[in-house]
Amino acid sequence: NAGVTQTPKFQVLKTGQSMTLQCAQDMNHEYMSWYRQDPGMGLRLIHYSVGAGITDQGEVPNGYNVSRSTTEDFPLRLLSAAPSQTSVYFCASSYISEQFFGPGTRLTVL
Amino acid sequence: TQLLEQSPQFLSIQEGENLTVYCNSSSVFSSLQWYRQEPGEGPVLLVTVVTGGEVKKLKRLTFQFGDARKDSSLHITAAQPGDTGLYLCAGANMDSNYQLIWGAGTKLIIKP
Repeated sequence: NAGVTQTPKFQVLKTGQSMTLQCAQDMNHEYMSWYRQDPGMGLRLIHYSVGAGITDQGEVPNGYNVSRSTTEDFPLRLLSAAPSQTSVYFCASSYISEQFFGPGTRLTVL
Repeated sequence: TQLLEQSPQFLSIQEGENLTVYCNSSSVFSSLQWYRQEPGEGPVLLVTVVTGGEVKKLKRLTFQFGDARKDSSLHITAAQPGDTGLYLCAGANMDSNYQLIWGAGTKLIIKP
């Protein structure tokens, strides 16, 4: 039982590049979410999903896309990276409101 | 907009001392959670409190939910270096599909 896994662990992008952050969970949770964490700002919700085929925007969705084709996987796509997207990204899956987090992806956009 | 304010933002104390971290809001929550995050890792759930006035203990950590379910506190007795980390509170509401409202966190350092 691996819980929530995220890849890559670290990534450096140039402005304008695109990439996908991968997230997978093996706990059969319906609810999954993506957060970004910046110093002094806590966790901010980017997108979330309440089940396969259903996604919705969170607090800071601009510049990001998500899809949920299976219960297990919830990738986050950066369409055209900007320096403001430099952050640590966490994926989480939930049972009711209790969330289980992955180890995070540290992204730097130059 | 619901907000959760945590205080203090930063706390550095000696091993063996006691401390309290606060999480306050003007909004009522169905439940409130406390997480601990260590450097390079994701947050890990410590406890969920649901009932107003509820007190839960986890070894040397005591969590309390306010009577009105608008605030919470985390008290650590005889802090140890292993307690070092970022402590985050998060409130949930049934009305908002249990989406969590997060505090900004308290960075705690326990010096040996």
